[in-house]
Amino acid sequence: GAVVSQHPSWVICKSGTSVKIECRSLDFQATTMFWYRQFPKQSLMLMATSNEGSKATYEQGVEKDKFLINHASLTLSTLTVTSAHPEDSSFYICSARVGLARSTDTQYFGPGTRLTVL
Amino acid sequence: TQLLEQSPQFLSIQEGENLTVYCNSSSVFSSLQWYRQEPGEGPVLLVTVVTGGEVKKLKRLTFQFGDARKDSSLHITAAQTGDTGLYLCAYNTGFQKLVFGTGTRLLVSP
Repeated sequence: GAVVSQHPSWVICKSGTSVKIECRSLDFQATTMFWYRQFPKQSLMLMATSNEGSKATYEQGVEKDKFLINHASLTLSTLTVTSAHPEDSSFYICSARVGLARSTDTQYFGPGTRLTVL
Repeated sequence: TQLLEQSPQFLSIQEGENLTVYCNSSSVFSSLQWYRQEPGEGPVLLVTVVTGGEVKKLKRLTFQFGDARKDSSLHITAAQTGDTGLYLCAYNTGFQKLVFGTGTRLLVSP
């Protein structure tokens, strides 16, 4: 159980275009999903927290107008990278939280989406 | 945001060797988690340590939470090539957010 999928697994796009990444919880409902970015050989950095039915909460330094997050249902959150540029090339990973809001709750991670902007 | 420093940053060893990875901070945590991430994949939770001084074992992996709950270590006995990956410690901020450590990249060669 607790499987999270992402689509696509990789995408190449031209500079200036927009790219949408989907994150789905396959066998559970997730009121909260998280989006992370990981540059090569680095750790994961939290970008935003996505709550079903409400606006996402962005971390400091993350442009909300550039990284649009929609959490329209309890099993789907989307991240749209708008007007992508080469510096947006990265590995984007989502996670979904299972359980109540306690410090030991587990987040299950998707397999990631590798974005390359030419 | 408290910083979790991991050491070493990179470790390259032969199969069969033992190794220890450290996760250090100046802050006290209610719990710490350890993840392993393989190339091109998302991280997978290995363990959560909650009590100061706690030792948890997962086959050849031994996790320890410092007595003061400021640090943690991961010891791997008789490493195998399948242990290759990025090892990450992380803490939950209490606002449901995970903050990851700087990471230790492990390469186990046959």
